[in-house]
Order: sequence, then C-alpha cells, then structure tokens
Amino acid sequence: DAGITQSPRHKVTETGTPVTLRCHQTENHRYMYWYRQDPGHGLRLIHYSYGVKDTDKGEVSDGYSVSRSKTEDFLLTLESATSSQTSVYFCAISGKPGTSGSGDTQYFGPGTRLTVL
Amino acid sequence: QKEVEQNSGPLSVPEGAIASLNCTYSDRGSQSFFWYRQYSGKSPELIMFIYSNGDKEDGRFTAQLNKASQYVSLLIRDSQPSDSATYLCAVWIQGAQKLVFGQGTRLTINP
Repeated sequence: DAGITQSPRHKVTETGTPVTLRCHQTENHRYMYWYRQDPGHGLRLIHYSYGVKDTDKGEVSDGYSVSRSKTEDFLLTLESATSSQTSVYFCAISGKPGTSGSGDTQYFGPGTRLTVL
Repeated sequence: QKEVEQNSGPLSVPEGAIASLNCTYSDRGSQSFFWYRQYSGKSPELIMFIYSNGDKEDGRFTAQLNKASQYVSLLIRDSQPSDSATYLCAVWIQGAQKLVFGQGTRLTINP
C-alpha cells in the first residue's frame, strides 16, 4: 500500500459543470500524476507534478488543469465537464524520499469513476 | 508505430501451466520496464520491474528483457485462477520523462 487515496471514488455530473478530483498521498513522494483510462486507449497521462507548484502537461491535457499547493495533495480540475471526459481517473505517485528520485516506478491510487451526462 | 505494443488477447491458459505475456517497445534508449496487473474494476498494481538484460525472478513471476530486440516478457509459472487479470507493460521513456503503457493483455486462467 503506497498510501494513496482518491476522492471522490465515484461521481456523476452534468455537462458544463466544474469538477475537481483529489489525490492525497502520505509518504512524501516527489512526483504525482493524473491518468485517464478508457477502453481502446489504455492509460494516458493528463498532467503531472514534479514538486510543489511545479506541474506540466501530459498527452491529453486539453480541458484539464491541475494544482499542487502541498506535497501530499494533487488536484485535477475539469473546468467545464464534457461527455468525452467520462472515464476512470487514476492518480499515481513516484520518487519516494531516499531513493534515486526518478519518476519511473509509479504506484497507483484506487481510481475515480467519473460520468458526465 | 506505437511506443509500447502488447497483444490484447484474450490469452487463455489452463491452471498450472505457464502463461507468457509479451511486449515490444520502440524507444531504443529506454532503460526501465514494468509489469502491472489490473483486476477488473481495480487500479493497476506494480508486480515486476526490470532494468537489465536477462531474467528477473520473483516467486512465480519472471520478467525477461532483451534490449537488442526491444522486447520484454512476463512469465507466470503454475498459473492460478487468481492470476486472471489484465497485464499492462510500461516503459519509461527517459528523454520525455514519462511512463508509456501498452494497451494490456487480458489473461484468463481456466481451472
């Protein structure tokens, strides 16, 4: 157990509404990631963070923003949800203190299933 | 060409047999390779990682890496019904600093 929680675990919302998903970790990992998983597309990186207030885009970042004001929390915001953002969202962490600090060995949270009607 | 490719399956193996899962990748500079197991409705779980050419064994699992052929495999010995899951191959792309996943292979172990 890498000490990752995601909230909410399930959410149904309507098109055009803002949505924020939260990822929380307890082991002081440096890197945090947001992925979405869809049938036929596998896991795709949305955004990632390499430190507090340090974030960058992944391959499917359009329509999403992120923030990391504390080491332990990484927020994913859908400013105006669309039906194409219906997906399962996973947070991942890597870079445990005392290790080489690489982002490669990633551990996943339990996921959030988001449905946009 | 996809960065990481896996046969999507489904792969069906009798209980007690060896299950062999394969993955190819396109980035010759890749150094780190990972296998995740994902049960239906659950999150990916890291089960193996390998950095060097050759075999790495952990219990019933063996990861094999051949960098010259850009090929990674996962062998599961004495397969159990509880091994039925989707297995994801992931490759760390050093230049882009990102982990790229294959589509996954769905494995079914038949009692």
